[in-house]
Amino acid sequence: QSVLTQPPSVSAAPGQKVTISCSGSSSNIGNNYVAWYQQFPGTVPKLLIYDDTKRPPGIPDRFSGSKSGTSATLGITGLQTGDEADYYCGTWDNSLTTAVFGGGTKVTVL
Amino acid sequence: QLQLQESGPGLVKPSETLSLTCSVSRGSLRSSRFYWGWIRQPPGKGLEWIGSISYSGSTYYNPSLKSRITISIDTSKNQFSLKLRSVIAADTAVYSCARFDGYGGSRGIDPWGQGTLVTVSS
Repeated sequence: QSVLTQPPSVSAAPGQKVTISCSGSSSNIGNNYVAWYQQFPGTVPKLLIYDDTKRPPGIPDRFSGSKSGTSATLGITGLQTGDEADYYCGTWDNSLTTAVFGGGTKVTVL
Repeated sequence: QLQLQESGPGLVKPSETLSLTCSVSRGSLRSSRFYWGWIRQPPGKGLEWIGSISYSGSTYYNPSLKSRITISIDTSKNQFSLKLRSVIAADTAVYSCARFDGYGGSRGIDPWGQGTLVTVSS
């Protein structure tokens, strides 16, 4: 069982918006930055969002991150078939003294 | 653009030591900001942080693996390495090396190597 809780799956039609939640606690999300990763089958994860809300160069502004208290959210607008992938949140846990990740959320474009 | 590449055996016998090396190109390990480390992902499962190392050799390990792992760095070769001792079948996973912003990557893990599948089996 993962320290950070994500929904197993979300889905929406092309062009629509999806949001993925990542729930934690004061020992992790509540006091550390959150990053989000996109992973296609057979590949390694790719950084999508860092420092809660920032996008690395080359990441479209359709992807956005936010955080409130002990929860973080990844938003994807203008959903495309190419966005079908697994998405993971990650941060540091001060109590466990380890990096922690969510269990991953599979995005399906209907 | 910084690139990382894992190398090492794809098959390790139970109770033996898994050894992987990460070679860094188009950039240097010598950074006071970034850390260098390993993450693994068992087939069909989620991500697990193994540990990280600074360019000066300070190490940070996952407590659940700490007794079995050693991460080392060789800045002259622009490489860092992972050793996982006494492996069992549950250690079968895709192992990836990566650059960490923050020793646990709380500020982002990027870039990643392409990952290498290590199977523990006799």
